[in-house]
Amino acid sequence: EAQVTQNPRYLITVTGKKLTVTCSQNMNHEYMSWYRQDPGLGLRQIYYSMNVEVTDKGDVPEGYKVSRKEKRNFPLILESPSPNQTSLYFCASKGDYNEQFFGPGTRLTVL
Amino acid sequence: AQKVTQAQTEISVVEKEDVTLDCVYETRDTTYYLFWYKQPPSGELVFLIRRNSFDEQNEISGRYSWNFQKSTSSFNFTITASQVVDSAVYFCALTDFGNEKLTFGTGTRLTIIP
Repeated sequence: EAQVTQNPRYLITVTGKKLTVTCSQNMNHEYMSWYRQDPGLGLRQIYYSMNVEVTDKGDVPEGYKVSRKEKRNFPLILESPSPNQTSLYFCASKGDYNEQFFGPGTRLTVL
Repeated sequence: AQKVTQAQTEISVVEKEDVTLDCVYETRDTTYYLFWYKQPPSGELVFLIRRNSFDEQNEISGRYSWNFQKSTSSFNFTITASQVVDSAVYFCALTDFGNEKLTFGTGTRLTIIP
């Protein structure tokens, strides 16, 4: 089944404790991206990657890092999480017709 | 710069009524793509439709239809004979050709009352 997977689905952590949210897609898509969803703000892009070893900032990159060492994986790294990074995070990959397919989401709470 | 406006924050209708969700967009590009996504209470984002700027034909898929009008920069979504399963947050989104960013509206929460 063609899909984008994310792990973990739910995470509660404390300020300053480094964490990684993994993302993997099995559709051989070159483009992948990360979004955060906050009430009243819709979804905002954090980072995107057009291909392996190519990444670029989206609208809200502060406090996040990404890497793209393999085509299928695009992990999101929070080196020192803060409470304002409490959010719902989505990973996505882009298909041949520009539509983006989203993972199931990761609900992160930073205390 | 891209911008998507969904002015309706929340809509409630009684089951079987028709409902239209509005989407107005701004872009300087002449080539762009518009999308609608559905986010049910379970939280995932479900792709519903993609439309490119060269194709102004309206589209119908079962009870769903979309009205794309470049003259008013609108891409509205109508659900006919609504059902409780249609209850969700609906997002309209835009990307310019060659732009790697998908810009979302703030979403419309649709509640279908049984």
